[in-house]
Amino acid sequence: DIQMTQSPSTLSASVGDRVTITCRASQSISSWLAWYQQRPGKAPKLLIYKASNLESGVPSRFSGSGSGTEFTLTISSLQPDDFATYYCQQYNTYWTFGQGTTVEIK
Amino acid sequence: EVHLVESGGDLVQPGGSLRLSCAVSGFTFTNYWMGWVRQAPGKGLEWVAQIGKDGGEKYYVDSVKGRFTISRDNAKNSLYLQMNSLRVEDTAVYYCARDRARYSDYWGQGTPVTVSS
Repeated sequence: DIQMTQSPSTLSASVGDRVTITCRASQSISSWLAWYQQRPGKAPKLLIYKASNLESGVPSRFSGSGSGTEFTLTISSLQPDDFATYYCQQYNTYWTFGQGTTVEIK
Repeated sequence: EVHLVESGGDLVQPGGSLRLSCAVSGFTFTNYWMGWVRQAPGKGLEWVAQIGKDGGEKYYVDSVKGRFTISRDNAKNSLYLQMNSLRVEDTAVYYCARDRARYSDYWGQGTPVTVSS
């Protein structure tokens, strides 16, 4: 089974900050990685697919990079709407999610 | 507009059964694989099962194999999850999700399942 490990688990930041979240796979998944945002009590929302492709309608301050086993999600300038939990998902073999990174207000 | 609406979640005793449904609209159901993902209280997301476009291919996470069955009725634009031999650790919000190109692009609002005596 492919395991996904995100870091950090929690991140404290301020509006306007540049934020980076890392996701590591236990084996190579090529670029078969997606990123989701989840607000409390809501369903996850797709942000990025195939490691670096921005989903339609998602603000351009979100970007993804990486391949193989190491990936990053970057928010270039944090906005109030961005305080949420972020999950990576590998889809090389079935689906596995990272444990999540909560971005909280500093 | 794409919509996925889950239903069927309830409080059930350990060992009991439950059938979840997901009604979809706004897209051609037969063109997409579909999946179920769950989220235990205060925890992260866990993939549960996936089903192919015609229902012929089905895949499950190890922890539910032999207990859960995913199915679909393409004539009714509906996805199902039959859950038997439920355990306390199956307590979660269950989401149905559309599989666009092996990743999930649309999710329902979720239906809560509580397994407790």
